[in-house]
Amino acid sequence: KAGVTQTPRYLIKTRGQQVTLSCSPISGHRSVSWYQQTPGQGLQFLFEYFSETQRNKGNFPGRFSGRQFSNSRSEMNVSTLELGDSALYLCASSLRRGEREQFFGPGTRLTVL
Amino acid sequence: AQSVTQLDSHVSVSEGTPVLLRCNYSSSYSPSLFWYVQHPNKGLQLLLKYTSAATLVKGINGFEAEFKKSETSFHLTKPSAHMSDAAEYFCVVGRLAGNTPLVFGKGTRLSVIA
Repeated sequence: KAGVTQTPRYLIKTRGQQVTLSCSPISGHRSVSWYQQTPGQGLQFLFEYFSETQRNKGNFPGRFSGRQFSNSRSEMNVSTLELGDSALYLCASSLRRGEREQFFGPGTRLTVL
Repeated sequence: AQSVTQLDSHVSVSEGTPVLLRCNYSSSYSPSLFWYVQHPNKGLQLLLKYTSAATLVKGINGFEAEFKKSETSFHLTKPSAHMSDAAEYFCVVGRLAGNTPLVFGKGTRLSVIA
């Protein structure tokens, strides 16, 4: 069974631009969570989607948004990029909401110049 | 509320010697606890999990962890380190029942010296 895939793997953007990251969960998994990983803050929860609805949201500004499609694939969008948004963005999937074991993708490395 | 503290940001061991990565947690609920490993430029991989069954949990690659409620600890151990164990390790706490997000520790970087 294929693992969680994330595209693109690397991105370079400039301040003020927007970016969209994509995540395809493991087949059959319906819950998708997004995390931001930086050297200073570590892994921080962004949001969780289940059945096309955002179920939980971390403490991030409204510039960070996401959505989930009927096939459970998810996208996250960051608008008006700032230098501090440079990070590794990780997507994780699980079978169902509340399932504690999550399976992570390789991440998208975003660099904002 | 939940939180997790990894007591060492960096641990260095010689190949073939034991590994101990320390983790303390705080949780208002019955916790589920995990250890994940992250190799450079890779995503996180689950090493082992505690979900209220046996307190001594065995994971992949020879790692194990013991849940100690009285000490609120979930330390990760391995009897003999291998060069391939060099990576970042994350202790994670979740709520055993419920849908609140997982909380990650800051990570411990394990170096293995030949």
